[in-house]
Amino acid sequence: GENVEQHPSTLSVQEGDSAVIKCTYSDSASNYFPWYKQELGKRPQLIIDIRSNVGEKKDQRIAVTLNKTAKHFSLHITETQPEDSAVYFCAANQAGTALIFGKGTTLSVSS
Amino acid sequence: NAGVTQTPKFQVLKTGQSMTLQCAQDMNHEYMSWYRQDPGMGLRLIHYSVGAGITDQGEVPNGYNVSRSTTEDFPLRLLLAAPSQTSVYFCASSYSGHLGLAGSYTGELFFGEGSRLTVL
Repeated sequence: GENVEQHPSTLSVQEGDSAVIKCTYSDSASNYFPWYKQELGKRPQLIIDIRSNVGEKKDQRIAVTLNKTAKHFSLHITETQPEDSAVYFCAANQAGTALIFGKGTTLSVSS
Repeated sequence: NAGVTQTPKFQVLKTGQSMTLQCAQDMNHEYMSWYRQDPGMGLRLIHYSVGAGITDQGEVPNGYNVSRSTTEDFPLRLLLAAPSQTSVYFCASSYSGHLGLAGSYTGELFFGEGSRLTVL
Protein backbone atom coordinates (compact mmCIF):
# COMPACT_ATOMS: atom_id res chain seq x y z
CA GLY A 1 0.00 0.00 0.00
CA GLU A 2 0.85 3.68 -0.04
CA ASN A 3 3.36 5.10 2.44
CA VAL A 4 3.66 8.85 3.00
CA GLU A 5 6.63 10.36 4.82
CA GLN A 6 6.49 13.98 6.02
CA HIS A 7 9.27 16.28 7.24
CA PRO A 8 9.93 18.12 9.44
CA SER A 9 7.74 17.08 12.37
CA THR A 10 8.03 20.56 13.91
CA LEU A 11 8.85 23.91 12.32
CA SER A 12 9.27 27.27 14.02
CA VAL A 13 9.50 30.48 12.01
CA GLN A 14 9.29 34.21 12.59
CA GLU A 15 6.30 36.11 11.28
CA GLY A 16 6.91 37.11 7.68
CA ASP A 17 9.32 34.26 6.97
CA SER A 18 8.57 31.40 4.58
CA ALA A 19 7.83 27.83 5.66
CA VAL A 20 8.38 24.67 3.62
CA ILE A 21 7.07 21.20 4.43
CA LYS A 22 8.10 18.19 2.36
CA CYS A 23 6.47 14.82 1.72
CA THR A 24 7.42 11.69 -0.19
CA TYR A 25 5.12 8.91 -1.33
CA SER A 26 5.72 5.34 -2.44
CA ASP A 27 2.89 4.38 -4.82
CA SER A 28 3.63 5.47 -8.38
CA ALA A 29 -0.11 5.11 -9.17
CA SER A 30 -1.03 7.94 -6.75
CA ASN A 31 -2.44 10.93 -8.62
CA TYR A 32 -3.94 13.20 -5.96
CA PHE A 33 -1.96 15.08 -3.28
CA PRO A 34 -3.86 17.29 -0.83
CA TRP A 35 -2.67 19.31 2.13
CA TYR A 36 -4.80 19.71 5.26
CA LYS A 37 -4.54 22.19 8.12
CA GLN A 38 -5.71 21.29 11.60
CA GLU A 39 -6.03 23.91 14.28
CA LEU A 40 -6.00 22.87 17.92
CA GLY A 41 -9.15 20.97 18.83
CA LYS A 42 -10.62 21.28 15.33
CA ARG A 43 -11.13 18.96 12.39
CA PRO A 44 -8.64 18.87 9.48
CA GLN A 45 -9.58 21.11 6.56
CA LEU A 46 -8.26 21.17 3.02
CA ILE A 47 -6.06 24.16 2.19
CA ILE A 48 -4.71 23.19 -1.24
CA ASP A 49 -4.39 20.13 -3.44
CA ILE A 50 -2.63 19.13 -6.64
CA ARG A 51 -3.22 16.42 -9.19
CA SER A 52 -0.53 14.54 -11.05
CA ASN A 53 -1.12 16.31 -14.36
CA VAL A 54 0.35 19.60 -13.02
CA GLY A 55 3.66 20.43 -11.37
CA GLU A 56 2.71 23.48 -9.32
CA LYS A 57 -0.37 25.19 -7.94
CA LYS A 58 -0.66 28.45 -6.06
CA ASP A 59 -3.38 30.05 -3.95
CA GLN A 60 -2.40 33.44 -2.51
CA ARG A 61 0.36 32.78 0.07
CA ILE A 62 0.22 29.00 -0.31
CA ALA A 63 1.77 26.93 -3.08
CA VAL A 64 2.32 23.23 -3.67
CA THR A 65 4.88 21.64 -5.98
CA LEU A 66 4.93 18.08 -7.24
CA ASN A 67 7.82 16.03 -8.62
CA LYS A 68 6.35 12.77 -9.92
CA THR A 69 9.70 11.35 -10.94
CA ALA A 70 11.13 11.72 -7.45
CA LYS A 71 7.76 11.01 -5.82
CA HIS A 72 7.79 14.04 -3.61
CA PHE A 73 5.64 17.12 -3.11
CA SER A 74 6.03 20.20 -0.97
CA LEU A 75 3.93 22.89 0.68
CA HIS A 76 5.25 26.45 0.62
CA ILE A 77 3.78 29.19 2.81
CA THR A 78 5.10 32.71 2.24
CA GLU A 79 4.79 35.75 4.51
CA THR A 80 3.73 33.59 7.44
CA GLN A 81 1.33 35.00 10.02
CA PRO A 82 0.53 33.86 13.58
CA GLU A 83 -2.79 32.43 12.36
CA ASP A 84 -0.82 30.01 10.17
CA SER A 85 0.22 28.20 13.36
CA ALA A 86 -1.34 24.73 13.19
CA VAL A 87 -0.61 21.11 12.31
CA TYR A 88 -0.29 20.48 8.58
CA PHE A 89 -0.82 17.07 6.97
CA CYS A 90 0.08 15.92 3.50
CA ALA A 91 -1.67 12.95 1.90
CA ALA A 92 -1.63 10.79 -1.21
CA ASN A 93 -4.34 8.55 -2.63
CA GLN A 94 -4.01 4.78 -2.58
CA ALA A 95 -5.88 2.47 -4.95
CA GLY A 96 -7.31 5.58 -6.56
CA THR A 97 -9.54 6.64 -3.70
CA ALA A 98 -8.36 6.07 -0.11
CA LEU A 99 -6.22 8.91 1.28
CA ILE A 100 -3.10 8.01 3.27
CA PHE A 101 -1.73 10.80 5.46
CA GLY A 102 1.72 11.74 6.65
CA LYS A 103 2.39 12.09 10.38
CA GLY A 104 1.99 15.87 10.34
CA THR A 105 4.10 19.00 10.86
CA THR A 106 3.47 21.36 13.76
CA LEU A 107 4.11 24.88 12.48
CA SER A 108 4.65 27.66 15.01
CA VAL A 109 4.78 31.26 13.79
CA SER A 110 6.03 33.74 16.36
CA SER A 111 5.46 37.48 16.12
CA ASN B 1 -26.62 21.08 4.86
CA ALA B 2 -25.03 19.54 7.97
CA GLY B 3 -22.03 17.96 6.20
CA VAL B 4 -20.50 15.05 8.16
CA THR B 5 -22.06 14.37 11.57
CA GLN B 6 -20.42 12.12 14.16
CA THR B 7 -21.85 10.91 17.46
CA PRO B 8 -20.99 10.73 20.25
CA LYS B 9 -18.40 13.50 20.68
CA PHE B 10 -17.03 11.97 23.87
CA GLN B 11 -17.19 8.44 25.26
CA VAL B 12 -15.53 6.55 28.09
CA LEU B 13 -15.52 2.76 27.96
CA LYS B 14 -14.18 -0.02 30.11
CA THR B 15 -11.93 -2.69 28.62
CA GLY B 16 -14.00 -5.38 26.93
CA GLN B 17 -17.08 -3.24 26.34
CA SER B 18 -18.44 -2.65 22.87
CA MET B 19 -19.76 0.48 21.23
CA THR B 20 -20.60 2.03 17.88
CA LEU B 21 -19.46 5.40 16.60
CA GLN B 22 -22.07 6.80 14.26
CA CYS B 23 -21.30 8.78 11.12
CA ALA B 24 -23.74 10.31 8.68
CA GLN B 25 -23.29 12.63 5.71
CA ASP B 26 -25.87 14.52 3.68
CA MET B 27 -23.71 15.40 0.66
CA ASN B 28 -24.52 12.24 -1.32
CA HIS B 29 -20.86 11.21 -1.22
CA GLU B 30 -20.10 7.68 -2.33
CA TYR B 31 -16.80 7.53 -0.46
CA MET B 32 -16.67 7.40 3.35
CA SER B 33 -13.83 6.56 5.72
CA TRP B 34 -12.75 6.36 9.34
CA TYR B 35 -9.43 7.61 10.73
CA ARG B 36 -7.92 7.58 14.15
CA GLN B 37 -5.60 10.33 15.34
CA ASP B 38 -2.98 9.76 18.00
CA PRO B 39 -0.21 12.18 19.06
CA GLY B 40 2.74 11.99 16.69
CA MET B 41 1.05 9.38 14.50
CA GLY B 42 -0.97 11.57 12.18
CA LEU B 43 -4.27 10.34 10.75
CA ARG B 44 -4.34 6.60 10.21
CA LEU B 45 -6.97 5.01 7.99
CA ILE B 46 -9.05 2.32 9.70
CA HIS B 47 -11.67 1.33 7.11
CA TYR B 48 -13.21 2.90 4.06
CA SER B 49 -16.11 2.41 1.70
CA VAL B 50 -16.54 3.39 -1.96
CA GLY B 51 -20.29 2.89 -1.91
CA ALA B 52 -23.22 1.14 -0.25
CA GLY B 53 -22.47 -2.53 0.34
CA ILE B 54 -18.72 -2.14 -0.20
CA THR B 55 -16.10 -1.80 2.53
CA ASP B 56 -12.35 -2.26 2.65
CA GLN B 57 -9.57 -2.28 5.22
CA GLY B 58 -7.20 0.61 5.74
CA GLU B 59 -3.88 0.81 7.57
CA VAL B 60 -5.08 -0.17 11.06
CA PRO B 61 -8.29 -2.25 10.77
CA ASN B 62 -7.79 -4.73 13.62
CA GLY B 63 -10.35 -4.45 16.41
CA TYR B 64 -12.85 -2.48 14.30
CA ASN B 65 -15.80 -3.44 12.12
CA VAL B 66 -17.76 -1.37 9.63
CA SER B 67 -20.78 -1.75 7.40
CA ARG B 68 -22.33 0.43 4.70
CA SER B 69 -26.00 -0.34 4.21
CA THR B 70 -26.88 3.15 2.92
CA THR B 71 -25.02 5.92 1.12
CA GLU B 72 -25.52 8.26 4.09
CA ASP B 73 -24.31 6.15 7.04
CA PHE B 74 -21.01 4.49 7.91
CA PRO B 75 -20.88 3.27 11.54
CA LEU B 76 -17.67 2.08 13.19
CA ARG B 77 -17.97 -0.73 15.73
CA LEU B 78 -15.56 -1.62 18.50
CA LEU B 79 -16.45 -5.15 19.61
CA LEU B 80 -14.02 -5.63 22.52
CA ALA B 81 -12.60 -2.25 23.47
CA ALA B 82 -8.93 -2.13 24.54
CA PRO B 83 -6.88 0.73 26.05
CA SER B 84 -4.89 0.86 22.78
CA GLN B 85 -8.07 2.09 21.09
CA THR B 86 -8.07 5.28 23.16
CA SER B 87 -7.92 7.93 20.45
CA VAL B 88 -9.73 10.66 18.56
CA TYR B 89 -11.76 9.22 15.70
CA PHE B 90 -12.68 11.13 12.57
CA CYS B 91 -15.21 10.15 9.96
CA ALA B 92 -14.72 11.69 6.53
CA SER B 93 -16.46 11.61 3.17
CA SER B 94 -15.75 12.75 -0.34
CA TYR B 95 -16.92 12.65 -3.91
CA SER B 96 -14.53 9.90 -4.96
CA GLY B 97 -14.84 6.66 -6.77
CA HIS B 98 -13.87 4.40 -9.59
CA LEU B 99 -14.85 5.56 -13.04
CA GLY B 100 -14.44 2.31 -14.93
CA LEU B 101 -12.18 2.72 -17.94
CA ALA B 102 -11.65 6.36 -16.98
CA GLY B 103 -9.80 5.25 -13.87
CA SER B 104 -10.65 6.73 -10.50
CA TYR B 105 -11.21 10.12 -8.97
CA THR B 106 -10.34 11.35 -5.49
CA GLY B 107 -12.06 14.49 -4.28
CA GLU B 108 -11.77 16.74 -1.24
CA LEU B 109 -12.22 14.89 2.02
CA PHE B 110 -14.72 16.48 4.42
CA PHE B 111 -14.23 15.57 8.07
CA GLY B 112 -16.65 15.31 10.96
CA GLU B 113 -15.89 17.08 14.24
CA GLY B 114 -14.31 14.00 15.76
CA SER B 115 -15.14 11.62 18.60
CA ARG B 116 -12.83 11.36 21.60
CA LEU B 117 -12.83 7.82 22.97
CA THR B 118 -11.16 6.76 26.20
CA VAL B 119 -10.87 3.08 27.12
CA LEU B 120 -10.00 2.40 30.74
